[in-house]
Amino acid sequence: DAGVIQSPRHEVTEMGQEVTLRCKPISGHDYLFWYRQTMMRGLELLIYFNNNVPIDDSGMPEDRFSAKMPNASFSTLKIQPSEPRDSAVYFCASSLLGAQAFFGQGTRLTVV
Amino acid sequence: QQQVKQSPQSLIVQKGGISIINCAYENTAFDYFPWYQQFPGKGPALLIAIRPDVSEKKEGRFTISFNKSAKQFSLHIMDSQPGDSATYFCAATSPNRYKLTFGKGTLLTVNP
Repeated sequence: DAGVIQSPRHEVTEMGQEVTLRCKPISGHDYLFWYRQTMMRGLELLIYFNNNVPIDDSGMPEDRFSAKMPNASFSTLKIQPSEPRDSAVYFCASSLLGAQAFFGQGTRLTVV
Repeated sequence: QQQVKQSPQSLIVQKGGISIINCAYENTAFDYFPWYQQFPGKGPALLIAIRPDVSEKKEGRFTISFNKSAKQFSLHIMDSQPGDSATYFCAATSPNRYKLTFGKGTLLTVNP
């Protein structure tokens, strides 16, 4: 298996634009997590899904952020409108039965 | 409120030396304590983990020491190698083991 695949690896966008980050979890995994990493706040859990259903979105910073998982092999994290303070590395991770989480390589987002 | 406090922020060790990273937690409901290793441009990867019913776990050169009464745990890297240079994160999970709460990370540099 190729592991958790995220795209794009890098994204530069202007403030106010919509940004969509994509994630393909490891096949067969039933949990999917979205994390954000910044120097100031470290690694923060934004939201996680179980069997494509959002379970806990308490980490989503505000309504500008939304996440979907239309099927077991695909998830998106959308920011609309984007702001400079959203600049960070966003990680997707997946796990089987909530055990060891496998992380993707991340998407580095820069909002200018 | 930071639930997992990690120190030091950065650490420089000579090749062959012992690297020690410390973490303290506040939530007594945490019941699983993994350590993650992250190389530049990569996502975190599980290194070693411990449950609170044991005081120590060793895997190769990596050892976790756990002190439940003090709510502290630490990672020891014996015979540190330049290839160990990375950022290390301690983490803790709630009883459902799905919401990883991370420490802020320690940048380890092992000089040859």
